[in-house]
Amino acid sequence: EVQLVESGGGLVKPGGSLRLSCAASGFIFSNVWMSWVRQAPGKGLEWVGRIYIKSDGGATDYAAPVKGRFTISTDDSKNTLYLQMNSLKIEDTAVYYCTTYSAGSCQHWGQGTLVTVSS
Amino acid sequence: QSALTQPRSVSGSPGQSVTISCTGTSSDVGGYNFVSWYQQHPGKAPKLMIYEVTKRPSGVPDRFSGSKSGNTASLTISGLQAEDEADYYCCSYTGSYSLVFGGGTKLTVL
Repeated sequence: EVQLVESGGGLVKPGGSLRLSCAASGFIFSNVWMSWVRQAPGKGLEWVGRIYIKSDGGATDYAAPVKGRFTISTDDSKNTLYLQMNSLKIEDTAVYYCTTYSAGSCQHWGQGTLVTVSS
Repeated sequence: QSALTQPRSVSGSPGQSVTISCTGTSSDVGGYNFVSWYQQHPGKAPKLMIYEVTKRPSGVPDRFSGSKSGNTASLTISGLQAEDEADYYCCSYTGSYSLVFGGGTKLTVL
């Protein structure tokens, strides 16, 4: 059974940094593209970015609002996906979900971790 | 990239069918057969219901079906059940290696 467990959320001041983790199990992590999706309180879903598997080059793509501030990476030895978030803004406040990614869709989702950016 | 357009809410009685529309452009919905639909119950993570416009993941009831015409995709739920009451989001691949979601539709089962 695929399991994705996010951690690392919390309260951070504007301009601060935070790193989210997503521990994966139940599948061969190094063979699966992964992505992050967020949801602001009471709002809809917003795609954050995606990382290709290393055999496909390990490239990353990001949504415009986070490009240049957020970085997605993986540690295949730990079956873990990361989201490094820098220069955080109030509008980055959201629940962040990690997902598996295939055929243009987010197939399996974690339970999410809440990031609150506030002074 | 602008969000895809969905109706804010739809409703139906148990046993009836409802259809949720998702309108984009030729740069997303109309340009690729990578439209997906997600169901989200309050306080829960989203769940994939449809991918590649018409395909259902294992375990999703065949009461859920997807289609697309031009720049508009649709999710149809037939034989409505109480547990179908949830928020539904469409999503499309775009030409710039990214995904775009719709604003979400709240389905009420009367």
